[in-house]
Amino acid sequence: NAGVMQNPRHLVRRRGQEARLRCSPMKGHSHVYWYRQLPEEGLKFMVYLQKENIIDESGMPKERFSAEFPKEGPSILRIQQVVRGDSAAYFCASSPSGASGYTFGSGTRLTVV
Amino acid sequence: GIQVEQSPPDLILQEGANSTLRCNFSDSVNNLQWFHQNPWGQLINLFYIPSGTKQNGRLSATTVATERYSLLYISSSQTTDSGVYFCAGYGGSQGNLIFGKGTKLSVKP
Repeated sequence: NAGVMQNPRHLVRRRGQEARLRCSPMKGHSHVYWYRQLPEEGLKFMVYLQKENIIDESGMPKERFSAEFPKEGPSILRIQQVVRGDSAAYFCASSPSGASGYTFGSGTRLTVV
Repeated sequence: GIQVEQSPPDLILQEGANSTLRCNFSDSVNNLQWFHQNPWGQLINLFYIPSGTKQNGRLSATTVATERYSLLYISSSQTTDSGVYFCAGYGGSQGNLIFGKGTKLSVKP
């Protein structure tokens, strides 16, 4: 069991470019969550997805951010027209059900220059 | 409101010492979990502990849900225990974890 796989580990984007972050959940896990961690801070919830459904996106910024978890393939967090304030570590987690222990991936560290 | 508060914010220990980290959570938070973020940024799930006590090696955790707190005990600390310890609980919608600000632990050799 390979755990939660995130890629890339590090991503550098220029202001105005698009960032695409990928997350493959653990085998058997159908619930995926994205969190953002700013430097020296805790994690903030962004979005909760199941296959082909967004369950809760209350933590997603209203503009430029979107997430999907298609029937086939990894979950994708997409940030359009990145700005310096988007620089952060983005963590994905998965769980077998909505109220059980999480397993986190290693994160993607996005730097916007 | 939905709150998860951790104390102390920072902790420095000599190798071999014991410590207790505390997490207080509000009424609307449940199903506590403890995580360790190592100095390389990796997040490890230590305990899923809605109530009761669990032990894993030198670490143990106790959650008293009726009194809205959880404790993480680290015994015989080692330098590899350094990092940030987060507690988190479900709040709002199912699956939405609310994190505390963490306790930053430094274990000196």
